[in-house]
Amino acid sequence: QKEVEQNSGPLSVPEGAIASLNCTYSDRGSQSFFWYRQYSGKSPELIMFIYSNGDKEDGRFTAQLNKASQYVSLLIRDSQPSDSATYLCAFLMIKAAGNKLTFGGGTRVLVKP
Amino acid sequence: SAVISQKPSRDICQRGTSLTIQCQVDSQVTMMFWYRQQPGQSLTLIATANQGSEATYESGFVIDKFPISRPNLTFSTLTVSNMSPEDSSIYLCSVETGVNQPQHFGDGTRLSIL
Repeated sequence: QKEVEQNSGPLSVPEGAIASLNCTYSDRGSQSFFWYRQYSGKSPELIMFIYSNGDKEDGRFTAQLNKASQYVSLLIRDSQPSDSATYLCAFLMIKAAGNKLTFGGGTRVLVKP
Repeated sequence: SAVISQKPSRDICQRGTSLTIQCQVDSQVTMMFWYRQQPGQSLTLIATANQGSEATYESGFVIDKFPISRPNLTFSTLTVSNMSPEDSSIYLCSVETGVNQPQHFGDGTRLSIL
């Protein structure tokens, strides 16, 4: 089982609709979860982080965390063509040798005008 | 968040040569990391750059191939040694500004080996 699993997509979404991305993780001890956006040819950019069960909203983005079910999701409301990118989820593994950020394979999102 | 400058931004190198990538942060940070992103793939952690001591390498990465320095709290280098075409990737520096704080990435170095 992979440590972090995401649907690779592409997830095709009409402009103005909600894009829903999901991510499951294997390490029950993880406490911190992150969503990064990566445009083609660019480096990852942090868009959301969440530490507690429930929802966290920031503008058009909502992150949802369910530790019991070991999944974290990202909702993008009112999707825009500029949201077309690859979205990477990551979680922080706490290790004695030092914390390690582990990334999923990413979900490619295409927002069509 | 911290401003992270990485250079070179890209390079084309000959097989068998080595290249050193620099990562400079505009403020002192607790942790610095080096990642590799192969074409069409996600990010893989190479090592954690420890200030004043040897880097901590992940499984599959060794110091002889990827020597790392971190002389202070704002600067680190990664060297890709004895390069082969399989080393063609994007190499990314990231920083963590506090305990369990999110990591932020530099712009990356796009490396091609002929």
